[in-house]
Amino acid sequence: NAGVTQTPKFRVLKTGQSMTLLCAQDMNHEYMYWYRQDPGMGLRLIHYSVGEGTTAKGEVPDGYNVSRLKKQNFLLGLESAAPSQTSVYFCASRPTGGNQPQHFGDGTRLSIL
Amino acid sequence: GNSVTQMEGPVTLSEEAFLTINCTYTATGYPSLFWYVQYPGEGLQLLLKATKADDKGSNKGFEATYRKETTSFHLEKGSVQVSDSAVYFCALTSYTGTASKLTFGTGTRLQVTL
Repeated sequence: NAGVTQTPKFRVLKTGQSMTLLCAQDMNHEYMYWYRQDPGMGLRLIHYSVGEGTTAKGEVPDGYNVSRLKKQNFLLGLESAAPSQTSVYFCASRPTGGNQPQHFGDGTRLSIL
Repeated sequence: GNSVTQMEGPVTLSEEAFLTINCTYTATGYPSLFWYVQYPGEGLQLLLKATKADDKGSNKGFEATYRKETTSFHLEKGSVQVSDSAVYFCALTSYTGTASKLTFGTGTRLQVTL
């Protein structure tokens, strides 16, 4: 079982460049999430999706866009990268049902110079 | 809003020592509570959960009891191993219309030495 797969695992960008992080899950989960993890701040929710074709803002959405064109994929885009977006990004998914736990990918470490 | 407060780390213990990582929360309604563990270079994995007051979650020797009266969900293990070295996150669910979301604490790093 692959579970939740994130690509790439590492990336270095220059300020102003754009890129897309890909999250793919093979568990047929309805809900998908993007978080960022920064030292001393835990994980903060960027955007989430409750199903194919839907997206919603989380706690820290500014500077990011997302798309969920297919149920199994959830893309996170940075249109114009800024040093403040240097972070580790985690994708998660979960099935329907209020108390179902989220399943996490291994993360993408992104550095913006 | 909802929030989770964890004890500051790092926590350094010798193998076979007793572990407690404190977690308290603020939430409206009746959240479910979780402990996640993050090993170096990996994503978060669910360690245990409790969905209502007085429930005890347990897994791999770890336990935590949902205490509504003290709004706490402290993580305990009777005898830690070197392989337990990781970062531990306490979290709760909140429901906003169409989806549940996790609110995380800042994480507590545990280092177990021989």
